[in-house]
Amino acid sequence: GQQVMQIPQYQHVQEGEDFTTYCNSSTTLSNIQWYKQRPGGHPVFLIQLVKSGEVKKQKRLTFQFGEAKKNSSLHITATQTTDVGTYFCAGGSIIFGKGTRLHILP
Amino acid sequence: NAGVTQTPKFRVLKTGQSMTLLCAQDMNHEYMYWYRQDPGMGLRLIHYSVGEGTTAKGEVPDGYNVSRLKKQNFLLGLESAAPSQTSVYFCASSYSWTEGIFGSGTRLTVV
Repeated sequence: GQQVMQIPQYQHVQEGEDFTTYCNSSTTLSNIQWYKQRPGGHPVFLIQLVKSGEVKKQKRLTFQFGEAKKNSSLHITATQTTDVGTYFCAGGSIIFGKGTRLHILP
Repeated sequence: NAGVTQTPKFRVLKTGQSMTLLCAQDMNHEYMYWYRQDPGMGLRLIHYSVGEGTTAKGEVPDGYNVSRLKKQNFLLGLESAAPSQTSVYFCASSYSWTEGIFGSGTRLTVV
């Protein structure tokens, strides 16, 4: 069945450093979504990518969808303490990666 | 406020007991989903529905049943709870295979 792999599982960065998480699918995806879950909270939708090679930005966050539509990345520039949480990718609302937990060191 | 509402928020069950988790959405979404979240395992899909009266199995359906008798409600049932079903359960809904709106979760402990 379809699998979505996400790396790394954990990431500790100093406040102000950049952060990237990667998502890889075993099959071609019609779309990919990114979610953020704060500690103790529920997943919150961030963005959806649909087109091959698509790049979208939300302030300090940059999302990319691979040309083959089998991989994606989320890059955060100059992390802040408010970025703490777990970031998930999901293929078509169905299959979620295991997430990358981001911890910010002050 | 519009959104996805899950009840109850917390529950402790004894092994072998049954219970039903309720998910309600008021956004007229066709698609609804039940996930469980365990430490280090991410979100795993239990069952989903693409419309009223339809349900389908996800990754980890064993031990659970679901029903979608009304478009706005998606029920998750545990017939005979086991300690392995201790988890946080999230319901979500969406228009299609797109932006999922999640409820705040139900924390279930089976002792």
